[in-house]
Amino acid sequence: DAGITQSPRHKVTETGTPVTLRCHQTENHRYMYWYRQDPGHGLRLIHYSYGVKDTDKGEVSDGYSVSRSKTEDFLLTLESATSSQTSVYFCAIRRTESSYNEQFFGPGTRLTVL
Amino acid sequence: GENVEQHPSTLSVQEGDSAVIKCTYSDSASNYFPWYKQELGKRPQLIIDIRSNVGEKKDQRIAVTLNKTAKHFSLHITETQPEDSAVYFCAATGANNLFFGTGTRLTVIP
Repeated sequence: DAGITQSPRHKVTETGTPVTLRCHQTENHRYMYWYRQDPGHGLRLIHYSYGVKDTDKGEVSDGYSVSRSKTEDFLLTLESATSSQTSVYFCAIRRTESSYNEQFFGPGTRLTVL
Repeated sequence: GENVEQHPSTLSVQEGDSAVIKCTYSDSASNYFPWYKQELGKRPQLIIDIRSNVGEKKDQRIAVTLNKTAKHFSLHITETQPEDSAVYFCAATGANNLFFGTGTRLTVIP
């Protein structure tokens, strides 16, 4: 499982509330990613990080922000949750020792916004 | 950016038959093409990948082929078993990121 954990694993929240999801890795990989998975859309990149305090946007970044203050933690924040952000969120790491973009996923967080 | 299309969206086969899933990509600079298997309620798992300097790669019952000229790649599963039932995703590298297809739900009928 590449030493990746996500918390919480399940969350139900209300529209308009802020939500933070955490991804934690134990293997010191430089690159970390946040994806959302929705039926019919596959996995879509929200944000990614290429080092501490270095982040960039993916294809579906609106309404989301991220922070990476330590190598091992990558946080995803929904500033003001909306029902359209109900989804399964996966964190991933890219293996540092590979020159190709081999990514391994965390167990996922199922978020429901009512 | 990169655009990855995947077909079919669903596929049912009899146990023991072969299954083929096809993907196309748009960015000729893409050089890495992984395939993921996702069982219900689980994380996507990398099962095989192919790099742009290789045309085919096999690992037991699964194989991937890549045609760079036509910009398409395929996953082949032979002698399918019920435990192969899952959703399969292809992906292609564009810039620093992976772009995923929309998935194929494979059902192997015993």
